[in-house]
Amino acid sequence: DQQVKQNSPSLSVQEGRISILNCDYTNSMFDYFLWYKKYPAEGPTFLISISSIKDKNEDGRFTVFLNKSAKHLSLHIVPSQPGDSAVYFCAASLSGSARQLTFGSGTQLTVLP
Amino acid sequence: EAEVAQSPRYKITEKSQAVAFWCDPISGHATLYWYRQILGQGPELLVQFQDESVVDDSQLPKDRFSAERLKGVDSTLKIQPAELGDSAMYLCATRASGYGYTFGSGTRLTVV
Repeated sequence: DQQVKQNSPSLSVQEGRISILNCDYTNSMFDYFLWYKKYPAEGPTFLISISSIKDKNEDGRFTVFLNKSAKHLSLHIVPSQPGDSAVYFCAASLSGSARQLTFGSGTQLTVLP
Repeated sequence: EAEVAQSPRYKITEKSQAVAFWCDPISGHATLYWYRQILGQGPELLVQFQDESVVDDSQLPKDRFSAERLKGVDSTLKIQPAELGDSAMYLCATRASGYGYTFGSGTRLTVV
């Protein structure tokens, strides 16, 4: 049972335009959500996160939106740059000391120059 | 910036052989995780340590996988015997507090 789903395996966007990556989850007990970026042959690097008590968090070109009623979050990148081309993973965590992350399957973003 | 060190970066091994991966966490990070990422999928938790103690190894295939974190610092993940389906990237991550994970660069394992 996949608790965190990224239904789009790939996305191509023109440089300068907006990239929107989507993520759905099934476990209503998740209380914290994160986005990671991963280049080939490297480990994931943290990008941005959001607590379940918020519906938006912004950091520079990156904004994450959370819709708890729909169990849906999205990552917006504006403007997209060729260096943003990578695999983006959505992750969710339950409260408590374990803080284990449950990851989605990732979306390969390609930003075309 | 502090990093999580993993070695080797790449490993090719024949099936039925033994293989081991090493992780050196950021100093002071008490919580350490080993994740496995199969190509095209997201990382999946194998084992979690708090200091030297195993907190969760429910997803670790214990018939062939073992993990240890002696003295609560660096950690080793071992597979014996390796199978073709074990080909994946093995990621170590550590956490001091809160939700902030730091991942290492991973070990890409290919079993032939």
